[in-house]
Amino acid sequence: QKEVEQDPGPLSVPEGAIVSLNCTYSNSAFQYFMWYRQYSRKGPELLMYTYSSGNKEDGRFTAQVDKSSKYISLFIRDSQPSDSATYLCAMERNGGFKTIFGAGTRLFVKA
Amino acid sequence: KAGVTQTPRYLIKTRGQQVTLSCSPISGHRSVSWYQQTPGQGLQFLFEYFSETQRNKGNFPGRFSGRQFSNSRSEMNVSTLELGDSALYLCASSPGRRNTGELFFGEGSRLTVL
Repeated sequence: QKEVEQDPGPLSVPEGAIVSLNCTYSNSAFQYFMWYRQYSRKGPELLMYTYSSGNKEDGRFTAQVDKSSKYISLFIRDSQPSDSATYLCAMERNGGFKTIFGAGTRLFVKA
Repeated sequence: KAGVTQTPRYLIKTRGQQVTLSCSPISGHRSVSWYQQTPGQGLQFLFEYFSETQRNKGNFPGRFSGRQFSNSRSEMNVSTLELGDSALYLCASSPGRRNTGELFFGEGSRLTVL
């Protein structure tokens, strides 16, 4: 069993839809939770960063962490075609020096 | 501020050869991590360096090695290349001693092994 599970999709939505992306994990030692966005032929870029449990909002993006369920989510409101990319969840534990990534979910937003 | 720079961007090798990839982190960043990305396995952690010391290593065979120099630049080497080593190799830097998962990635070196 992988430490981090993420549905690879693809996920196709119409422009303006609310997108929900999710990951589950098995290691309760994870403390840092991230979402990265990767466009085709580019390196991943950090989108959202959360320490421990709770919610974080940044513009159209909201990240949620539920440590009791070992479940994290990323919501994208008013999705745009420019949001079409692969979204990777990632996690790190204190002193781990090793960030673990999910498989990535490919998202297509149709105009 | 310049981002993470990886060279070469593309390269083609044949089985049995060896390859060296280079990574220049963001100025001031002292931690460098390397990842292998393939369609089937996603992003797999190779190793992480801080101040020339390897602090963690992933589950890759000994053919994969790396090092970091005093100016924080890093190289990784793969010897005796196999077809399965074809992948995008990504380097990421982060600023501090504590790794919190905030990684800044380069655009990668795409290796094709024939």
